[in-house]
Amino acid sequence: QVQLQESGPGLVKSSETLSLTCTVSGFSISSGYFWGWIRQSPGKGLEWIGNIYHSGTAYFNSSLKSRVSISVDTSKNQLSLTLRSVTAADTAVYYCARGGYNDPFDYWGQGTLVTVSA
Amino acid sequence: EIVLTQSPGTLSLSPGETATLSCRASQTVRNFVAWYQQRPGQAPRLLIRDASNRAAGVPARFSASGSGTDFTLIISNLEPEDFAVYYCQQRNYDGLTFGGGTKVQIK
Repeated sequence: QVQLQESGPGLVKSSETLSLTCTVSGFSISSGYFWGWIRQSPGKGLEWIGNIYHSGTAYFNSSLKSRVSISVDTSKNQLSLTLRSVTAADTAVYYCARGGYNDPFDYWGQGTLVTVSA
Repeated sequence: EIVLTQSPGTLSLSPGETATLSCRASQTVRNFVAWYQQRPGQAPRLLIRDASNRAAGVPARFSASGSGTDFTLIISNLEPEDFAVYYCQQRNYDGLTFGGGTKVQIK
């Protein structure tokens, strides 16, 4: 069974960099599919951040593109998210998920809350 | 960016009733629309892929249709666990976007 688990700091200071890791089990990232990050601000809807393929091909939400990086480590079966120069508006639950570009998001992590403090 | 508009924002229904949710795209997305269910405190769950195909394990009371710009999710005979928020999502070469969600609540 495919499982995803996000990890990383729950608190980041304003203007600093948010870094999260998603560990995938039950499926090899190298086997295919895009892998993505999605976030949800408290009480709000879902916002796509970006997607990456195991080859490294990546696509990003245009509104975040200048601040976002996504990478994969196939040896660890992980993907990572980096969001630079964060503000309070980046406070959200961050999800990683399988799919997104050629397929819908069919497996999701449980999500991790990241709070940006002043 | 393609904008997805979901309506209504909130739907108040009783168990056993039928919910009809709408998702309208600002330009054609062919059939590249998915629907998700999100219960409080949980991650979204894929219900429908490619506009009308139920994902694995999704009960038959969930059905969906549409193509181009107009899409519909129908939940027949609402069960207590169906009261949740539902999101549509599209994918195309310009990127991915989600609708604002429809909350189905108990009347």
